Amino acid sequence: AQSVTQLDSQVPVFEEAPVELRCNYSSSVSVYLFWYVQYPNQGLQLLLKYLSGSTLVKGINGFEAEFNKSQTSFHLRKPSVHISDTAEYFCAVSDGSGGYQKVTFGIGTKLQVIP
Amino acid sequence: GAGVSQTPSNKVTEKGKYVELRCDPISGHTALYWYRQSLGQGPEFLIYFQGTGAADDSGLPNDRFFAVRPEGSVSTLKIQRTERGDSAVYLCASSFGRVGWGEQFFGPGTRLTVL
Repeated sequence: AQSVTQLDSQVPVFEEAPVELRCNYSSSVSVYLFWYVQYPNQGLQLLLKYLSGSTLVKGINGFEAEFNKSQTSFHLRKPSVHISDTAEYFCAVSDGSGGYQKVTFGIGTKLQVIP
Repeated sequence: GAGVSQTPSNKVTEKGKYVELRCDPISGHTALYWYRQSLGQGPEFLIYFQGTGAADDSGLPNDRFFAVRPEGSVSTLKIQRTERGDSAVYLCASSFGRVGWGEQFFGPGTRLTVL
């Protein structure tokens, strides 16, 4: 079984400040890890993914995340946030078993960027 | 091109009624997923289709829930004898369904409210 823990339900941050959204996972097998963003009244959009290889992955809109196997973490970071980054962010994990992506999501972190 | 579409965007029904929620995947995507997102939670997997067949329906909460994809494209999620606890946003996603990894593209969801 796999699970995801997002430690912060809400994160307020001032515009142009850095931000880190925390994510820890558990799985008994090798995993694929994802971050999705959900803007108000819109569908989920993939920010970035870790499948294999380099543990630092870069995504859209200046976000990046680092896979840390020993700490079972996949924290999301951005060095300078913008108002437009205000949204809900979901960390997710999949083990890819069966040849398809049965994705398990965390409960989400609401990022509130303050002008 | 067109993304995943879901209809209706909102559905209000009374307890005990039957509802159908429709998903139009991206053309050519063989894999289709349904998720349910309750208030304050992340999306939860319901069912996965590869082509016309339901390859994994382990997430369906009970036998009141059923989904079909008769021609391998459009899918319908059917809920019988709705209960207030069924109120949630129902998300559909599609992907190419390649073995191992295929990015899931999400629709905007159908918000179901059971009174």
